[in-house]
This record gives sequence, structure tokens and C-alpha cells, in this order.
Amino acid sequence: QQQVKQSPQSLIVQKGGIPIINCAYENTAFDYFPWYQQFPGKGPALLIAIRPDVSEKKEGRFTISFNKSAKQFSLHIMDSQPGDSATYFCAASEGNYQLIWGAGTKLIIKP
Amino acid sequence: DTGVSQDPRHKITKRGQNVTFRCDPISEHNRLYWYRQTLGQGPEFLTYFQNEAQLEKSRLLSDRFSAERPKGSFSTLEIQRTEQGDSAMYLCASGGPWGGEQYFGPGTRLTVT
Repeated sequence: QQQVKQSPQSLIVQKGGIPIINCAYENTAFDYFPWYQQFPGKGPALLIAIRPDVSEKKEGRFTISFNKSAKQFSLHIMDSQPGDSATYFCAASEGNYQLIWGAGTKLIIKP
Repeated sequence: DTGVSQDPRHKITKRGQNVTFRCDPISEHNRLYWYRQTLGQGPEFLTYFQNEAQLEKSRLLSDRFSAERPKGSFSTLEIQRTEQGDSAMYLCASGGPWGGEQYFGPGTRLTVT
């Protein structure tokens, strides 16, 4: 019940396309859902996060869509660029406690 | 730079040795977390401090691992009698008193030979 399932494992998109990464969770007590971007050899960087009281949040080119009834959330990257090539992780937490992480999606944006 | 800092960035040690890592959180952040990440995997939770109190500790965490946050500021993570399976990136994150955000440092890469 603590798991967060992330898909796809890898994704290749042409520059300017809109990669979409999906996550699903079971624990209805989760109340915070962040997305992180990680480059090789670096720590994860917080991209954008959402709480279950809203269905969508947009920050720059990054959008989270949240479906509380389906217990799913997704990340969309608009106008993707080669510099967006990285591994993306979804996560979830209850209160201020540990983040439960998805397995990650390796995204490649082709020029 | 006002982000989370970690020291050292890289550590190579021989099996059986003790190692200690330090994390300096973003100033005024009262929450501090330690995670471990192996190649190709998501971070794995180790422990969580709120101020100086250790509030949560992974059941998977061996007794060889110990963490402290003596004055509610910086934190140390010690691994005693290191094993090759301890080789990983050790990540520290901090968060403020409101919201669930966790901001990560650059990590300490441990290699046990």
C-alpha cells in the first residue's frame, strides 16, 4: 500500500514534443505529490508538487495533472528541450514524513 | 549558496572501516532527511529529524548506521564496519516548517572496496 508505481521506465521524445510520465498510488493518506528531476551524479531537484485539493498545477513548462478518484498523477513537459533529458521521479508522502518514490523514468529528448 | 550542502562529495573506503558524512541543511529548515540511492533506483529513506529529534527511522536500516542532529542544525550519518553493499549515493534533504517540500543536497558517493 506504500508503493508508488511509475511508468514508463524510459521515454524518447523529439524536441518540442510533450513527454508524459504517469504515477499511481494506493495509500489514500498521501497528501503531497512532488516530481523531481535528477541528472547523473547529482541530487534530485524539486520540479513541481501538488496536493490532492487541486486537479492541475502548472509551473513554467511543467504541469502536474492529478486524479484523486483514480489515485493517479502525471507530469507533462511542454515544448521539451534536449536539456530536459534526465531521470524523473514521482513521489508521495503523508504529512512531513518520508517520501515514497517511484522507480524513475529516463527521459531522452532528441534534437 | 544557500542550498543543502554535503561533505565529502566522494568517499572511498575499505571494507570494515567506519565512515561519517555531514549534511548542512538550508538555514532555518527544521526538517532533515537522509536517503540512500543506488544506480538506477529511486532514493531509499533512511531517517528523519525534526529539529534535533529523530522521529522516523527505516526498519531496513542496519544497526551499523547511526545519525545525529545535535543542535537541530547540521546532521551526521555514520556507517560502522562498512560492507560492499553500502556502496551508494547518500543524499540529505531539508524542509521548512510548512509544507512537505524536501530539497536535496548534491549527495556523498560512497565506494567500499
